[in-house]
Amino acid sequence: NAGVTQTPKFRILKIGQSMTLQCAQDMNHNYMYWYRQDPGMGLKLIYYSVGAGITDKGEVPNGYNVSRSTTEDFPLRLELAAPSQTSVYFCASSERGANTEAFFGQGTRLTVV
Amino acid sequence: AQRVTQPEKLLSVFKGAPVELKCNYSYSGSPELFWYVQYSRQRLQLLLRHISRESIKGFTADLNKGETSFHLKKPFAQEEDSAMYYCALGNFGNEKLTFGTGTRLTIIP
Repeated sequence: NAGVTQTPKFRILKIGQSMTLQCAQDMNHNYMYWYRQDPGMGLKLIYYSVGAGITDKGEVPNGYNVSRSTTEDFPLRLELAAPSQTSVYFCASSERGANTEAFFGQGTRLTVV
Repeated sequence: AQRVTQPEKLLSVFKGAPVELKCNYSYSGSPELFWYVQYSRQRLQLLLRHISRESIKGFTADLNKGETSFHLKKPFAQEEDSAMYYCALGNFGNEKLTFGTGTRLTIIP
């Protein structure tokens, strides 16, 4: 059982480039989340989804887009990378929402130069 | 709006000494509180949640609604407890799980 899998683990982007962070879970969870982790700032919610075809903004959605075409996948898209998006990104899933245990991926460390 | 405050960014404790990591929350409804831990080079994982009232790895946390706190405690710290600890707040019907800024706990041998 792989749980939540994120790819890539590391990436360096140039300013203005775009990329997609992949997230897949094999637990048939409806709820999925994207967080960014900045030093001293904790985890900030970027976007979340309560099921296939349904997404909503979190605290810091600007500069990002998501889609949820299947239950398993929840990719995060950066269209025009900026240095402020340098961070560690975590994807998570849960069975029944924010009052149940969240399972996290191993993270993607992104640097924008 | 819901908010979680962890006042200590860094905490160092000697091995064998008691540990207390503070967490305060702000929420008008009935909260679900969690503690998550991130050990070095491992993914974030659930340590415990208030509703289960369990003791995990010697840690306990009691929800105090009067003080809006959910402090994490352990009577005798061990070296393997060194990690980053996050307090988190969720609730039934609101899909956003809110995290505090985290406390990095270092156990001094």
